Amino acid sequence: QSALTQPRSVSGSPGQSGTISCTGTSSDIGEYNSVSWYQHHPGRAPKLIIYDVNKRPLGVPDRFSGSRSGNTASLTISGLQADDEADYYCCSYAGSYSFVFGSGTKVTVL
Amino acid sequence: EAQLAESGGGLVQPGGSLRLSCAVSGFTFSSYAMGWVRQAPWKGLEWVTTISASGGTTYYADSVKGRFTISRDNSKRTLFLQMNSLRGDDTAVYYCAKLPPWGSGRYYFDFWGQGSLVTVSS
Repeated sequence: QSALTQPRSVSGSPGQSGTISCTGTSSDIGEYNSVSWYQHHPGRAPKLIIYDVNKRPLGVPDRFSGSRSGNTASLTISGLQADDEADYYCCSYAGSYSFVFGSGTKVTVL
Repeated sequence: EAQLAESGGGLVQPGGSLRLSCAVSGFTFSSYAMGWVRQAPWKGLEWVTTISASGGTTYYADSVKGRFTISRDNSKRTLFLQMNSLRGDDTAVYYCAKLPPWGSGRYYFDFWGQGSLVTVSS
């Protein structure tokens, strides 16, 4: 299964918003309501920030929001903060407890 | 809160074997599916394998099928990854990760370990 397609980088000034797209197929994103997003600071454990397309775990700020349209999911970060600077990965369930991750997007806060 | 800690990584020659362990705490280990995800140098995350709560059902990415084996010891709250016939492209940081309760119909990785580096090189 090929990786989901994400932009290599997204940047914005503090306080601005940034959106990361994640394009898959009708066999993953388009078929299952199981898109998740992870924030990864290098050297640290990845952190779940969105699950089931648009749900936030306890403790994740509402500045992070998720959506999906067809075979493409999106993560929007509102009010960018310095600590948001990290790598972000989307992930889709692909059936039979298998998963496909996105190629990753580096978010830079200018 | 769930805590996961990997161990067992290191340098191994091509064709060799290595066994990773993941000790967990903070949740009822025997109720949750678990998985391994890896990240090769300068690459993105890649799902490797998943195991059911009981350990009776396993799933593997095509890239590791037939070479890697996931298992668990629920009495010791430990997850394992046996890696055989290792190749250079298996070089990566390997993360163990917790999934929601088995059979819940929910599919994502809600807690992760810090990772264990496996380097395959002669």
